[in-house]
Parts: sequence; C-alpha cells; structure tokens
Amino acid sequence: DVKVTQSSRYLVKRTGEKVFLECVQDMDHENMFWYRQDPGLGLRLIYFSYDVKMKEKGDIPEGYSVSREKKERFSLILESASTNQTSMYLCASSSTGILAYSNQPQHFGDGTRLSIL
Amino acid sequence: SQQGEEDPQALSIQEGENATMNCSYKTSINNLQWYRQNSGRGLVHLILIRSNEREKHSGRLRVTLDTSKKSSSLLITASRAADTASYFCATDGVDQTGANNLFFGTGTRLTVIP
Repeated sequence: DVKVTQSSRYLVKRTGEKVFLECVQDMDHENMFWYRQDPGLGLRLIYFSYDVKMKEKGDIPEGYSVSREKKERFSLILESASTNQTSMYLCASSSTGILAYSNQPQHFGDGTRLSIL
Repeated sequence: SQQGEEDPQALSIQEGENATMNCSYKTSINNLQWYRQNSGRGLVHLILIRSNEREKHSGRLRVTLDTSKKSSSLLITASRAADTASYFCATDGVDQTGANNLFFGTGTRLTVIP
C-alpha cells in the first residue's frame, strides 16, 4: 500500500515564524501535491510538483513556497506565518497516467493541523 | 470555479439504509473520482470513473456518471456505522497555470446511525 507520511499531526506556531511542513511518500510517485482544507471551502491546491526540483503554483500559492530535492520528499514552507494560514494541510502523491497526472488516484497523508497564534 | 459541488451537504441515515450523494460539475472532464475522509484524517481514494463509462461498482459502492448532465452519483448500499465520513468528488480540469489537475468539491458529510 502507498504510504504518505506527514511529519506532524498538530503544530502550533507564532505569527512571523518560518514554518516547515514535511511530506514523504514511499511509492516512487512522480507527482506530489500540497493542499489546504478549510470548512466550507473544500480542498484548495497550493503547489504541486511533477518531478524532482520542479514545482508549479496551484490556486493559492501566495505566502507559501515548496521544495523538492528528492523524489520522495516534498516540503511546504510558510515564509512568514500569519493567522490566516491556520488550517489543515494535506499532502498527496500520485503516479503519472497516460494523459496527465489528473487521471490517476491521489494518495493522501493524514494531514497536519496547523495553528498560527 | 471548476470545483464539483456535492449535494446534499449533510446526510443522516439509519444503519442498513442506502446513501446517495450527488456531484455536479461545470466543465467537460476526462474522469471523475470519489474520495472519503474520516474525521481528522486524510482522503482515501474510492473509485475513478472515466468519461466514457456510465457506471462502476466496487463492493457496496456504485458510481454513475452522466456527462450530458455533468453529474455523478455515489451510492453506498447497506450502510454501516463505519461508513460515517465526508465524501468528496474530484474532477479533472485545467487550472489557471494551464496544467491539468484535480478539483475537489466541498463534500457531503454522511452520518450512519447504529
């Protein structure tokens, strides 16, 4: 079974701090994704990566950056945390299908509930 | 928005009954996926249906797709208390960067009462 592991289930940080969220997958998937999930808004894509050192902006990249130095690891960075970044953060991975990565199932980690005080 | 929209937002049924959730979307798709999320956990992929398919089964799950109406339904038969979760549909589409990606709806919260 695919396993996607997020480094922390719960995290509390202060406004202005630099925050790192780590995600590791063990299935040699090419594609990795970072989402945030807020009540009433569903999942919104922050960044995704389809290869090592490659990254693409999603719907809401402002205030975030990412790093993918190794295929199995995808990090989300909050450069200067703000209270409106309090949310549930979900990492996912998928293999690449014939047409695009969007026609493959995504495998999710259990999420990191981040609170910014 | 390219998100799918699930209906109803919340559904409460007795154990043993069937649960039906619907998803409507706006743009043409190559595939539609259903996911489940237990409280406080990540999403789990349930089923993928391609645009040239009309119906798909997996255990107690039945998914239908009507591309002419831009809608899909997820039926869970003989529900169990363990089916209590949120269910999301996800459709593929082109995002603002021009990349193909998945767009998730806001989910249906299903409660199965023992």
